[in-house]
Amino acid sequence: KAGVTQTPRYLIKTRGQQVTLSCSPISGHRSVSWYQQTPGQGLQFLFEYFSETQRNKGNFPGRFSGRQFSNSRSEMNVSTLELGDSALYLCASSISGTGYGYTFGSGTRLTVV
Amino acid sequence: DQQVKQNSPSLSVQEGRISILNCDYTNSMFDYFLWYKKYPAEGPTFLISISSIKDKNEDGRFTVFLNKSAKHLSLHIVPSQPGDSAVYFCAASARDTGNQFYFGTGTSLTVIP
Repeated sequence: KAGVTQTPRYLIKTRGQQVTLSCSPISGHRSVSWYQQTPGQGLQFLFEYFSETQRNKGNFPGRFSGRQFSNSRSEMNVSTLELGDSALYLCASSISGTGYGYTFGSGTRLTVV
Repeated sequence: DQQVKQNSPSLSVQEGRISILNCDYTNSMFDYFLWYKKYPAEGPTFLISISSIKDKNEDGRFTVFLNKSAKHLSLHIVPSQPGDSAVYFCAASARDTGNQFYFGTGTSLTVIP
């Protein structure tokens, strides 16, 4: 079966711009979680969506937002980009949201200049 | 505030020997722990998990040990193989944080042939 697809793979944006990242989960998976990976910080939890509802949210500013569509595809938006937002953004899908069932995508590498 | 810590950023081991990766946590409410493995340019993949009711879980060459009193877990890989060279992340969650997983910063394992 197809894995978790994240698009685009790489992105370069300028400070102050906004960006939208996309994640298509494995068919049948209703939970989509987003993580930010930076050197020295590991993976930081952004938020989790389940059946189009945000079920859990990490400790990130309101510039980071997301949504999930009826087909379980999810988008993450970052507004007013800052240099510190440069990171690998990983999406993980699972049937119910439990971590052992996570399947991660390959990530979107965002560079803010 | 890093609730899950992997204090060794890197580890080198000879092929055939044992690799021991360590992880410490601060939140005594954590009751479920996982290890993920990540190759470059790929998303993390689930490796092995353990719940707080156990102190050991084994899967082939991989064994995870949990010491709740010390808030410490470790991953043992025996025997180590060159294909095990990757970054290993430990992660933890607690029932009252829902599906939010806290990840460590990762340990890069190099298995030398």
